[in-house]
Amino acid sequence: EVQLVQSGAEVKKPGESLKISCKGYGFSFTEYWIGWARQKPGKGLEWMGIIFPRDSDTRYSPSFQGQVIISADKSISTAYLQWSSLKASDTAMYYCARRPSGWNNGYFVNWFDPWGQGTLVTVSS
Amino acid sequence: DIQMTQSPSSLSVSVGDRLTITCRASQNINTYLNWYQQQSGKAPKLLIYAASILQSGVPSRFSGSGSGTEFTLTISSLQPEDFASYYCQESYTTSYTFGQGTVLEIK
Repeated sequence: EVQLVQSGAEVKKPGESLKISCKGYGFSFTEYWIGWARQKPGKGLEWMGIIFPRDSDTRYSPSFQGQVIISADKSISTAYLQWSSLKASDTAMYYCARRPSGWNNGYFVNWFDPWGQGTLVTVSS
Repeated sequence: DIQMTQSPSSLSVSVGDRLTITCRASQNINTYLNWYQQQSGKAPKLLIYAASILQSGVPSRFSGSGSGTEFTLTISSLQPEDFASYYCQESYTTSYTFGQGTVLEIK
């Protein structure tokens, strides 16, 4: 079964660092881009960025560039999302997702499936 | 950046209703448009990609259409498990911007 399994919930204080993980099962991890999205409590989805584990090519959404670091270790089929100094405003659920792609009517389209179960990050003093 | 605008933001509906959610892009994105369902407390689930292609395993009461800047998600006969939030997402850029979401509530 193709799945992404994320690390468990975290409770941190402002200023602390954090690295959460997303491990892939049932597919070749180096063949797919892996992305991250944020969802603050009661709010919508926000796209953060994406990484290609084979060569660690990474693309950030402008809103998150410089705010987080996305990385991957292809040897253990795991992608990461990390913060060097957390803020209360980073409190949210974070999801990873795999990006398949294919040709449709002359366009090379892509989508995100499956999604990990989510990692809740709570930042509070 | 591409802006994605969904309407309505929320909708009160009944089991068996037919409904349509609209998603508008601020520029032409061809058919680079995906739809997701998110049930309360769960991860998003892909429903439709490339504007109109139904993801494997998704019931046929879901359908998508559109191209360019205007897209729709239609549910032909609402079922109890469909009460959830729905998001569109552009895949034209690597910003992969989401719409703000549409929440379906029971009337």
